[in-house]
Amino acid sequence: QAQLVESGAEVKKPGASVKVSCKASGYTFTNFGISWVRRAPGQGLEWLGWISPYNGERNYAQKFQGRVSMTTDTSTTTAYMELRSLRVDDTAVYYCVRDQGDPWYFDLWGRGTLVTVSS
Amino acid sequence: EIVLTQSPGTLSLSPGERATLSCRASQSVSNNYLVWYQQKPGQAPRLLIYAASTRATDIPDRFSGGGSGTYFTLTISRLEPEDSAVYYCQQYGSSPPVIFGQGTHLEIK
Repeated sequence: QAQLVESGAEVKKPGASVKVSCKASGYTFTNFGISWVRRAPGQGLEWLGWISPYNGERNYAQKFQGRVSMTTDTSTTTAYMELRSLRVDDTAVYYCVRDQGDPWYFDLWGRGTLVTVSS
Repeated sequence: EIVLTQSPGTLSLSPGERATLSCRASQSVSNNYLVWYQQKPGQAPRLLIYAASTRATDIPDRFSGGGSGTYFTLTISRLEPEDSAVYYCQQYGSSPPVIFGQGTHLEIK
């Protein structure tokens, strides 16, 4: 059964960086893209970007250009998302999602990782 | 940049009734690349509909998507209490590549 499992909750101070991992299993990792989506408290869903585990191609949302980095490790079928220069309003649940395109839409979601940014 | 506006913001209905949620785009959505998700409290979102009207795997036929161009709908018939959730529309295939609507809260009481 296909699933995505993110790393555990993080608490960071403003200005710090966070790196969230996402372990994929139950499907061929290189056949699908991975996107990252977040939901801040009381807010809607927001897309951060996409990466292809097949060839490493990336597409970041303009809002996060320069602050986000996405990587994958095909040997461990794990995706990573690093967000730098964290601000209080980066507090959110971060989801890794299996992407049906480049990017398109998301048919498999992890349970999410809560990242709290607080001084 | 495309903006998706969902309405109503909140919808309160009774079991057995039908819900119609709308998603209006500020410009035409290419190829009707419009998706609907359901998010229940404390859970990750779940894909319901893609390409405007195609149900995802294991989604009951009570859920149906429609529309084209700039106006899309998600209809949920024979509402059940477990349909209480936030519903999001999302477009893909344009620039920017992924945009979500702000969500509709559906309460079944």
